[in-house]
Amino acid sequence: DGGITQSPKYLFRKEGQNVTLSCEQNLNHDAMYWYRQDPGQGLRLIYYSQIVNDFQKGDIAEGYSVSREKKESFPLTVTSAQKNPTAFYLCASSMTWGSGTEAFFGQGTRLTVV
Amino acid sequence: AQSVSQHNHHVILSEAASLELGCNYSYGGTVNLFWYVQYPGQHLQLLLKYFSGDPLVKGIKGFEAEFIKSKFSFNLRKPSVQWSDTAEYFCAVNKAFGNEKLTFGTGTRLTIIP
Repeated sequence: DGGITQSPKYLFRKEGQNVTLSCEQNLNHDAMYWYRQDPGQGLRLIYYSQIVNDFQKGDIAEGYSVSREKKESFPLTVTSAQKNPTAFYLCASSMTWGSGTEAFFGQGTRLTVV
Repeated sequence: AQSVSQHNHHVILSEAASLELGCNYSYGGTVNLFWYVQYPGQHLQLLLKYFSGDPLVKGIKGFEAEFIKSKFSFNLRKPSVQWSDTAEYFCAVNKAFGNEKLTFGTGTRLTIIP
C-alpha cells in the first residue's frame, strides 16, 4: 500500500531530551511537510522540503530541526529548545510543492514530554 | 499573509440533520481551497477541493462545498448527516499561483448524535 508512515504513534520523553520523529513515504512525492496540531489551533507548519537535500522553515520552526537526505524520508527532531513540545505531530507529502497539490497525511505521532 | 477562519469550533447534530460548516479566507487573489477530514484515530484525508471552474464542488461521502468569491467563503455542506460523519473538519487554502504553503483553519469538531 502506498502511503505515509509515522512512527512511533505515541512517544514519551523527559524534559530536556531531544527526540526524533520518523516519517517515511513510498508515494514518490517530491515535497514533504511537518505540521503540529494543537487543540483549537489547527495545523501549523513547522518545516517543509520541496525536494531532497533541501528544506525550509515554516511558521513555527524554533526548537525543531529536520533533514532530507533521502526522497522518502523526512525525520523531525524536537530539541530541548522547544518550549512546549507536547503536541500531536503530522507528517505530509505532496507530489510537488505549492499551488494546487493535494497533501497526503500520516497518522501522526503524539509526543508527551514529562 | 493569508488566513483561514472556521467560526464553528464544535457542532453537535442529530442524525439526518443538514450540515453547513463555515470557512472564510483572507487572501484577495486567486486561491485553491480544500476541505480535509480527520475521523477519530485516523489520518487526515482530503474531502474535496476547488481549483477552478464550477464553484459547487462535490466530494466524497455526499459532501459538497460552494466557493463564493465575493464572500471569500468555501462552506462545507451535507444534506443529511450520519453518525459516521463524526470527525474534525479542516478548511485549507493556498494561492493559485507560485510557491505558497497550505494554510489551515483551526478546525471544526462535528459530533453526530444517533
